[in-house]
Amino acid sequence: NAGVTQTPKFQVLKTGQSMTLQCAQDMNHEYMSWYRQDPGMGLRLIHYSVGAGITDQGEVPNGYNVSRSTTEDFPLRLLSAAPSQTSVYFCASSYGGDNYEQYFGPGTRLTVT
Amino acid sequence: KNEVEQSPQNLTAQEGEFITINCSYSVGISALHWLQQHPGGGIVSLFMLSSGKKKHGRLIATINIQEKHSSLHITASHPRDSAVYICAVYNYGGSQGNLIFGKGTKLSVKP
Repeated sequence: NAGVTQTPKFQVLKTGQSMTLQCAQDMNHEYMSWYRQDPGMGLRLIHYSVGAGITDQGEVPNGYNVSRSTTEDFPLRLLSAAPSQTSVYFCASSYGGDNYEQYFGPGTRLTVT
Repeated sequence: KNEVEQSPQNLTAQEGEFITINCSYSVGISALHWLQQHPGGGIVSLFMLSSGKKKHGRLIATINIQEKHSSLHITASHPRDSAVYICAVYNYGGSQGNLIFGKGTKLSVKP
């Protein structure tokens, strides 16, 4: 199994550009989440999904959209990039039910200039 | 006040020392997660706890639900243990996808 994969690993955007961060998992996990990690802030939840077709907002959802059309994929879209979105983004997944353990992707380092 | 507090924020140890990292939380939880992140690296799950104690190699994690406190111990520390250790809790009644994270403890083990 590849586990949780994320692409790209690095990205530089100009202010106002849009892009999609890709996340995929091959473990048939129900739950998937997107986090951002900033220095001194810890990890913060952006959006999450409890299954295909179901998504919800986390702590810092503004400026981001998600969709979950399949169990495997959970892309994160930046609508109009801003310098405040410069961060490292992690996707994570877990089985659901009583199995809480989360599996993290390798991260995407995004810089917005 | 943060819902998940870790101490210390930074820790420097000599190789071979016994290390303890603490995590206190203020919410009711379903489970607690200890994670490890090497510099520039991804995040790896070390332990998932809802009660008692777990051991894996030189790592031991304990949790006291009544006191809302968990500890991560590293025995016979090694420079390869240098990393950021993150405590995260699943808020009881919240979505399983919704973890509350501590800010991490940066550990540096000197040879």
